[in-house]
Amino acid sequence: NAGVTQTPKFQVLKTGQSMTLQCAQDMNHEYMSWYRQDPGMGLRLIHYSVGAGITDQGEVPNGYNVSRSTTEDFPLRLLSAAPSQTSVYFCASSPTGLAGLAYEQYFGPGTRLTVT
Amino acid sequence: DQQVKQNSPSLSVQEGRISILNCDYTNSMFDYFLWYKKYPAEGPTFLISISSIKDKNEDGRFTVFLNKSAKHLSLHIVPSQPGDSAVYFCAASGTSGTYKYIFGTGTRLKVLA
Repeated sequence: NAGVTQTPKFQVLKTGQSMTLQCAQDMNHEYMSWYRQDPGMGLRLIHYSVGAGITDQGEVPNGYNVSRSTTEDFPLRLLSAAPSQTSVYFCASSPTGLAGLAYEQYFGPGTRLTVT
Repeated sequence: DQQVKQNSPSLSVQEGRISILNCDYTNSMFDYFLWYKKYPAEGPTFLISISSIKDKNEDGRFTVFLNKSAKHLSLHIVPSQPGDSAVYFCAASGTSGTYKYIFGTGTRLKVLA
């Protein structure tokens, strides 16, 4: 199993450009999520999904869109990049069990995004 | 408002001694807690978890303690090894149907050989 894969590893964008960060998992996990990591801020949840066709907002959703058309894939879209979106982005997945509880998450290696 | 706080940004410990990493939370609805370890240029990896029905959970050298009345949890690593040098994040969630995990800001542990 490849686990959770993310592409690209690095990306530089100009302000106003759009792009999609890709995330895929091969563990048949229902729950997938996107985080951003900034210095001194820890990991902040952007969006998450509990299954195909179901997405919801996390702590910092503004400026990002997601969709979940398959169990395996959960892309994150930046429609108009801003310097404030310079960050390291992590995708994660986990199985779900009890209602409302996602178990330990498996994280991808991250995408380092710079917006100039 | 930071709901999960790790007030020590860094910690240095001698090899073989105990490392104690602390985490405080403010939301009394949180009832499931996890610790993750993160090496540079890698994604976090799961270490250990605890639910609110327990006050202690052990896995090898790692033990997590939960004090619900104080809204405090700690991770003990005994004995500490140089390979434990990493950033440690605590995370919290409530079984309220939200599926949201809130992470702390992390503590950088350095184990000195």
